[in-house]
Amino acid sequence: EIVMTQSPATLSVSSGERATLSCRASQTVSMNLAWYQQKPGQAPRLLIFSASTRATGIPARFSGGGSGTEFTLTISSLQSEDFAVYYCQQYYNWPRTFGQGTKVEIK
Amino acid sequence: EVQLVESGGGLVQPGGSLRLSCAASGFNFPNYDMNWVRQAPGKGLEWISYLRNDGNSLYYADSVRGRFTITRDNSKNTLYLQMNSLRVEDTAVYYCARSWRAFDVWGQGTMVTVSS
Repeated sequence: EIVMTQSPATLSVSSGERATLSCRASQTVSMNLAWYQQKPGQAPRLLIFSASTRATGIPARFSGGGSGTEFTLTISSLQSEDFAVYYCQQYYNWPRTFGQGTKVEIK
Repeated sequence: EVQLVESGGGLVQPGGSLRLSCAASGFNFPNYDMNWVRQAPGKGLEWISYLRNDGNSLYYADSVRGRFTITRDNSKNTLYLQMNSLRVEDTAVYYCARSWRAFDVWGQGTMVTVSS
């Protein structure tokens, strides 16, 4: 099983600032990496797939990077609606696995 | 509108059974692979099962293999999860999710509580 490790667990950021979230895979997942956003009481929403491709309707302030085992999600200028929990997920191998999540909170 | 709607959750005793349904609309359901993902209260996301669009390939997480069964009825645009021998640790919100590259469409979830 590929273990996905996200850091930090919590990120305190002010509105308008840049946020960088990290995700590490225990073995290569090539570019088969997705990022999801989840707000309280809501289902997850796909932000990024193939490590760096924004899903339909996702604002350009969200960008993904990396390949192999190291990945990042960057939010260039945090808006109030971006405070949420973010998960990475690999879909390179079975079982599909998620990171434990990074909570982005208001500083 | 592309939509997935789960149903069938509820309170069940340990050792009991439930069948979840996921009704799809707004897209050509038979063309898409599907998944079940769950989230225990206050915890992260756990993928638990996958079924290919034609029903001929499936996978399970170790935590549910042998107890849960994923099926689909393409004529009814519906995905199912039969859950048997339920345990307290199966308590979670259960989501169905469409596979396209990643999990691009999610339902709103249905809550399953396993408790005596």
